Parts: sequence; structure tokens; C-alpha cells
Amino acid sequence: AQTVTQSQPEMSVQEAETVTLSCTYDTSENNYYLFWYKQPPSRQMILVIRQEAYKQQNATENRFSVNFQKAAKSFSLKISDSQLGDTAMYFCAFEWGTGKLIFGQGTTLQVKP
Amino acid sequence: GAGVSQSPSNKVTEKGKDVELRCDPISGHTALYWYRQSLGQGLEFLIYFQGNSAPDKSGLPSDRFSAERTGGSVSTLTIQRTQQEDSAVYLCASSSGAPSGGPLGTQYFGPGTRLTVL
Repeated sequence: AQTVTQSQPEMSVQEAETVTLSCTYDTSENNYYLFWYKQPPSRQMILVIRQEAYKQQNATENRFSVNFQKAAKSFSLKISDSQLGDTAMYFCAFEWGTGKLIFGQGTTLQVKP
Repeated sequence: GAGVSQSPSNKVTEKGKDVELRCDPISGHTALYWYRQSLGQGLEFLIYFQGNSAPDKSGLPSDRFSAERTGGSVSTLTIQRTQQEDSAVYLCASSSGAPSGGPLGTQYFGPGTRLTVL
């Protein structure tokens, strides 16, 4: 069975600082996608970044980057220069071709002024 | 449309009533997904459509839940004889789909329908 684990239920960071959210997963598949989604209080699930498992290069999107360690089955999200608008719940998710996204439990991130 | 839309935004119903939730995917997206988000269970997959067919219905919690998709576009999730444990946010997502054997691409989510069963 595929599982996704986020071990940090809550985190906080000062505005302009850097924070890293952790995610590990378990699978026997070789071809899959990994995602980080952001869900602010408005509840709209917004894609932050995605990583294809066959790509060795870590994905980056502006202030967001990932550290993808395929052998260790680890997929952490680094947010640089944190902004107040980054306050949200962040979900790590995994998809391998069945159409089913498997989500972690989520990490609530609070950015403090 | 520009994004995935869902209606209604909020729905309050009485126990035992039937409800219908609607999802309008991104134009051109062949794959459509329903998820449920509740406090106790987190985010759960319900069902997935490729075109009008549903290859995976494994997440539907009971036979009170059903979903259909017509014209390869709009989908309706129906919950019959609602129970209080059905209270949750129901999220719809769509993706462009992909050739078989690989991941089906990035899923883009709608704003969700918050269902409250009294």
C-alpha cells in the first residue's frame, strides 16, 4: 500500500525566514509524481510544486523548492523568504497512475510578522 | 472556464435527505476526481473518472454514495439518505489525463462544497 507521512502537525516561522516541511512516503512503484499543495483558510487547494520521480533534479518554483531523495523516499518542501500569505495548511501528496492522490496528514504553517 | 468550479459552495441538509453536488472541470480535462476532507479522516479519495467511465470507485464509503459524469465534462456526486458522518468538505479536481501506465498528471482542485448534515 502507498502511504504518505507528514510528521510535523504544526510549524511556525518568522516572516522573511526559511522553513522546511518534511514528507516521507512508501511505495514499490518506480514511476510516480509527488506534489505539495497549499490550503489556506479559504479551503481552495492550490498546487505549490510537483516533482516527477524519474527526474533527478529538484523542482523549484520561485521561493519554493523541494529536496527529493528517491532512495530515502523523502520529499521535503523549503519555503524561502516566508511571507504572511504563506500561512496555510500544506499537504504532501503522491500519485502513481491510478488517478488516486494519496495525501499526508498535513502541516499547518504559521508565518509570524 | 479558467478553473474547476463546484456548486453549491455550502449545503445544509437534514439527516435522511438526498443531496447532489456538482463539479465543472477545467475545459479539455479528461480526468475528474472526487475527494472528501473531514476532521477525523483527513483527505480521502472517493472516485475517479476518465471520460464518462469510472475506473476506480474504491473510495466510495457506502452504497448511499454515487457519482456520474456526462459528456466528458460535468460530474455530479449524489449522497442518498444523508447521515451526520457525511458532513465534510467535498473537493473535486481535474487533470488532463495521460497515456496508460504512468501518472495521470497534476490535479487542479475546485473550491469545494461544505456539506453539513443536521
